[in-house]
Amino acid sequence: AQSVTQLGSHVSVSEGALVLLRCNYSSSVPPYLFWYVQYPNQGLQLLLKYTSAATLVKGINGFEAEFKKSETSFHLTKPSAHMSDAAEYFCAVSDRSNTGKLIFGQGTTLQVKP
Amino acid sequence: EADIYQTPRYLVIGTGKKITLECSQTMGHDKMYWYQQDPGMELHLIHYSYGVNSTEKGDLSSESTVSRIRTEHFPLTLESARPSHTSQYLCASSPLPGQGGYGDSPLHFGNGTRLTVT
Repeated sequence: AQSVTQLGSHVSVSEGALVLLRCNYSSSVPPYLFWYVQYPNQGLQLLLKYTSAATLVKGINGFEAEFKKSETSFHLTKPSAHMSDAAEYFCAVSDRSNTGKLIFGQGTTLQVKP
Repeated sequence: EADIYQTPRYLVIGTGKKITLECSQTMGHDKMYWYQQDPGMELHLIHYSYGVNSTEKGDLSSESTVSRIRTEHFPLTLESARPSHTSQYLCASSPLPGQGGYGDSPLHFGNGTRLTVT
């Protein structure tokens, strides 16, 4: 069975600082992994996805994530935080079945201080 | 710009009322999903559909029901709302798998319906 653990329910960074949001997964098959962002009172928006091509995946808004099989990790990074990055971030793994459903982590709230 | 629409955005309703949360998508996606989201918690799948006339229960038990009479429409109904149903409900859809096979397609989400049952 697949599962996702996001380390740290809240992360606070200063504007311009590095953003690092951690995600570890458990999967019985080669995983497909996703990062989503949720702004207040909105749905989830896809940031990036890993589907077994390049291990370093670039997404929207300057975010990227690196798939590390040996560490079962898929951490999300951004070199320089912007105030508009403040939101909740969810890591998800696909169950690789024909349902196409995703299993989500508990989310990490990113706060960006001026 | 959302291609998947949920109405209403916010709903406050009394205990015992019947409610229907609407979800429509214009992308022609076969698969649709309902997730329930509580503050600070992960999203839990409560219903999904492979296509017209297909409905399945998800991982989290729910007293709600769904229907899929048309490809673009996937409403969720609560016959008798209770305070325990207070939550955010997110509808999503996904296209057919790409070259990676099952599971490589991201879900497209609506903006959600925040339900409060008093």
